[in-house]
Amino acid sequence: GAVVSQHPSRVICKSGTSVKIECRSLDFQATTMFWYRQFPKQSLMLMATSNEGSKATYEQGVEKDKFLINHASLTLSTLTVTSAHPEDSSFYICSASPGPQYGYTFGSGTRLTVV
Amino acid sequence: GNSVTQMEGPVTLSEEAFLTINCTYTATGYPSLFWYVQYPGEGLQLLLKATKADDKGSNKGFEATYRKETTSFHLEKGSVQVSDSAVYFCALTRGRDDKIIFGKGTRLHILP
Repeated sequence: GAVVSQHPSRVICKSGTSVKIECRSLDFQATTMFWYRQFPKQSLMLMATSNEGSKATYEQGVEKDKFLINHASLTLSTLTVTSAHPEDSSFYICSASPGPQYGYTFGSGTRLTVV
Repeated sequence: GNSVTQMEGPVTLSEEAFLTINCTYTATGYPSLFWYVQYPGEGLQLLLKATKADDKGSNKGFEATYRKETTSFHLEKGSVQVSDSAVYFCALTRGRDDKIIFGKGTRLHILP
């Protein structure tokens, strides 16, 4: 149980275009999901907390107009990288938890390359 | 504020060696503690967890004990395998909807 599915696993896009990444909790409901960004050989940086039915909470330094988050249902959160540039190339990972006793489950990540 | 500090890597060991990766934390209240593992090109997988003092988490031969007196959660394995090569992250959280705070990660290389 406690599976988080993330799609796509890899995407290559041209500069200036937008890319949407989906994060789904397959067998539990998640009122809160988290979006992380990971640079090569570095730890995960929390970008934002996605809240079902309300606005996302962004960490300091993360541009909310650049990284649009929509948490429209209890099982789906989406991250849209708008007007992507090469510096947005990174590994993006989402996570959610079915409850405090289970810990957090992570998606398999999305490798975004902007060319 | 809350933070996690883990030993710098990379750590290189021979197969069947004993492994310790140190992790200490700073947190208010009573956090839950986790070790996550990340294999190349993949997301994070929960390796083990402990939710209260003196709890021992264990999985796949790995163990870690929640030590409140030393604010530590060191990861150990008695005999490592080449397949254990990965990046290991120590982390804490204070509740279901509270964000996870990660350490910087420790890259582990196991040589055959």
